[in-house]
Amino acid sequence: TQLLEQSPQFLSIQEGENLTVYCNSSSVFSSLQWYRQEPGEGPVLLVTVVTGGEVKKLKRLTFQFGDARKDSSLHITAAQPGDTGLYLCAEVQAGTALIFGKGTTLSVSS
Amino acid sequence: DAGVTQSPTHLIKTRGQQVTLRCSPKSGHDTVSWYQQALGQGPQFIFQYYEEEERQRGNFPDRFSGHQFPNYSSELNVNALLLGDSALYLCASRDLAGVWNEQFFGPGTRLTVL
Repeated sequence: TQLLEQSPQFLSIQEGENLTVYCNSSSVFSSLQWYRQEPGEGPVLLVTVVTGGEVKKLKRLTFQFGDARKDSSLHITAAQPGDTGLYLCAEVQAGTALIFGKGTTLSVSS
Repeated sequence: DAGVTQSPTHLIKTRGQQVTLRCSPKSGHDTVSWYQQALGQGPQFIFQYYEEEERQRGNFPDRFSGHQFPNYSSELNVNALLLGDSALYLCASRDLAGVWNEQFFGPGTRLTVL
């Protein structure tokens, strides 16, 4: 069974700082998704990465997929309080089951 | 256009009882998946329904069962509740013919087992 390791587990920063969170696997990802989950809500899909070396940008968020497709990172530039939440990476398994990591809890204070 | 809806929002049960959770998928979606999210953990896949049949199942005991109706809505049933079943139960829907595995999650049902 694929294990997804996310780091750091918790991150508390000030508004305007930059940050990077990581998602690593013991084996090759077929494809990877990043989600953000706010308290009391379900996860919301941010991006899907499929190709090794792929970089995708979503406003202040930059997602990278490692060349070997065993790791991924999410970089946030100039974090804002609205970025606060649980960031989850998920491997897309055969069929459509998602295998999630434990997530990184991000807190951005003003 | 309503997204994925789940009911109830919160539920308190005691050990040994049975519970039924409900999910209405996003309009146009035909596939429903259920996930369990314990406190401080990522969601864990329970099972997926398509065309009223269970198509895929995660590592959960038979106490967890489900159903999908002709209108694509779904129920999750858990029998003989244990304390460890306390969690947020998430429903996700997708259009099997749509954008590759873009799933939409509901807000979840918070189940507390005492």
